[in-house]
Amino acid sequence: GAGVSQSPSNKVTEKGKDVELRCDPISGHTALYWYRQSLGQGLEFLIYFQGNSAPDKSGLPSDRFSAERTGGSVSTLTIQRTQQEDSAVYLCASSPQYYNEQFFGPGTRLTVL
Amino acid sequence: AQKVTQAQTEISVVEKEDVTLDCVYETRDTTYYLFWYKQPPSGELVFLIRRNSFDEQNEISGRYSWNFQKSTSSFNFTITASQVVDSAVYFCALTTWAGGTSYGKLTFGQGTILTVHP
Repeated sequence: GAGVSQSPSNKVTEKGKDVELRCDPISGHTALYWYRQSLGQGLEFLIYFQGNSAPDKSGLPSDRFSAERTGGSVSTLTIQRTQQEDSAVYLCASSPQYYNEQFFGPGTRLTVL
Repeated sequence: AQKVTQAQTEISVVEKEDVTLDCVYETRDTTYYLFWYKQPPSGELVFLIRRNSFDEQNEISGRYSWNFQKSTSSFNFTITASQVVDSAVYFCALTTWAGGTSYGKLTFGQGTILTVHP
């Protein structure tokens, strides 16, 4: 079956612009996660959605970052007023339940000039 | 707070050698799950194994084996008879049950870069 998909695969933007990153999880997976991978910080948790529960936003680095998940499926991560330190690979993952293994998408490489 | 430490930043071996990747974790929770992921040069994280805190049995899958020891908070990964295709970054990760909060999110180690030379 189809895996986790993310779009775009690459995004180059100018400092100060807003960007939206999209994640399509595996069908039927109730849990969805966003992570960020950068050279200096490794793999960092950003936000977690589980069914209809309130999302766990504890990993969002600033209020410029937000995410939503519509209809329990597709998720969008929005970064407002991008900064150069936001440059990283943004990874989305999904799993059937929180205790299951997470399946990762290919990531979106964000470059802020 | 949870923490995962992979002390080996880089390992270089010659094909057919055995190699062990170390992982040490810290958590105060009694229910938790440990994972290993592989990130090949293509970049996509690939799930390898999941182990819960109540199951200390070691596991073998082909050339891969895992040694889980709660007494030392370690979850080490061994590749037997390594191959060039094993070259990748390997991540150990932890998620815990904390009374209904903070579960699900993975805390990753810094990763170990494994290079297998022909």
